Amino acid sequence: VQLVQSGAEVKKPGESLKISCKSSGNNFSTYWIGWVRQMPGKGLEWVAIIYPGDSDTTYSPSFQGHVTVSADTATSTVYLQWSSLKASDTATYYCTRHFPMVTTDGYYYYGVDVWGQGTTVTVSS
Amino acid sequence: EIVMTQSPATLSVSPGERATLSCRASQSVSNKIAWYQQKPGQTPRLLIYGASTRATGIPARFSGSGSGTEFTLTISGLQSEDFAVYYCQLYSNWPSLTFGGGTKVDIK
Repeated sequence: VQLVQSGAEVKKPGESLKISCKSSGNNFSTYWIGWVRQMPGKGLEWVAIIYPGDSDTTYSPSFQGHVTVSADTATSTVYLQWSSLKASDTATYYCTRHFPMVTTDGYYYYGVDVWGQGTTVTVSS
Repeated sequence: EIVMTQSPATLSVSPGERATLSCRASQSVSNKIAWYQQKPGQTPRLLIYGASTRATGIPARFSGSGSGTEFTLTISGLQSEDFAVYYCQLYSNWPSLTFGGGTKVDIK
């Protein structure tokens, strides 16, 4: 299974953008797909996650209202989009596939077993 | 919102020594913690989940412990390939996730 992301983008503040993450594997609809931001030289920040089967989506409070995540099951692709970019959106964005793993106490953890290669977004005037 | 705080920000360790990394939650999260490793120029890799369960293929020198609000990742006998940044991740409110700020383990 691979997650192949769209290429690097250079945009101006205020512009819109939609980046993609295409899954090569089967059963696309049955895996949670998430997005993680990494600003230059900084740590990982969780952005949002979607279950393509029913489009159930959850956003980090830090990103809620600023980004939109969607999925197209026909093309096995998940999208992350902005309607109005800011310079502070400059970062690399990774998509992630979450696979269920059972802990020793019998609970499930949906851990990331596949990462996209990352899409670098640069927002500058 | 639960805040995850990792310490120290940077840990300098000699090869072969033990590294102890800390992750603290602002409120109890049971054992719903995972640890990821990120090497420069690479995507992260899952090491530990459920606070102490090693992921598939992870060497035994990596171990996790803790519950409630205090968690530890221990790397015994550091090898050259272990110098990296380590992140804890909270998943107690799945599907919401939270990463800690990270600890960089570098060569002393």
